[in-house]
Amino acid sequence: QLVLTQSPSASASLGASVNLTCTLTTRYTNYAIAWLQKQPQKGPRYLMKLNNDGSHRKGDGVPDRFSGSSSGPERNLIISGLQPEDEGDYYCQTWGTGPLFGGGTKLTVL
Amino acid sequence: EVQLVESGGGLVQPGGSLRLSCAASGFTFSSYAMSWVRQAPGKGLEWVSAVSGSGDKTFYAASVKGRFTISRDNSKNTLFLQMTSPRADDTAVYYCAKTGGCTGDCYSYYFDYWGQGALVTVSS
Repeated sequence: QLVLTQSPSASASLGASVNLTCTLTTRYTNYAIAWLQKQPQKGPRYLMKLNNDGSHRKGDGVPDRFSGSSSGPERNLIISGLQPEDEGDYYCQTWGTGPLFGGGTKLTVL
Repeated sequence: EVQLVESGGGLVQPGGSLRLSCAASGFTFSSYAMSWVRQAPGKGLEWVSAVSGSGDKTFYAASVKGRFTISRDNSKNTLFLQMTSPRADDTAVYYCAKTGGCTGDCYSYYFDYWGQGALVTVSS
């Protein structure tokens, strides 16, 4: 069964870098995913589509400090130079028989 | 600029009915499958339903199949979700979302644009 696993929370200091991980079920290690940002009182924002080889396609207006990487079943969202507005929930999403979301990671900027 | 604007949310009694709408602009609406995704209070995102670009194919999550109906009016660039016999656990913010990266019947892919959401509260 295809499952996306995310840590419930993460934190990092203002200006630092953070790596958020989304792990695919081992059998589906070649699947691509998408990363979404969800802030309170706003709709989700598409950040990027991340392929199993680490190549990624970012959404309109997504800052350069957002990037992605892949290693085996892990799909990573790297945010460098953290800003206060980066605080929020981050979801990974994939697609099999239907769209599927991870549980989300709540990012706190200290 | 792509815009998706939901409307029609509100309070509905269990067993009642409610229709959500999503007005789309800034892209060729009929070329893309569209979905509804919801977020219950304190919970994560859950895909609810999708409809193909032409409107002739529909897809549902098991949790809503047989109770909700998705449709679209391509002449008015509008997506709908008819909610019948809603339950308390259908309480959520409902988002419409545009499928990215593929056209036509392709619905199980990533979503590149989202609306701001419509709150639906199911309670007596």
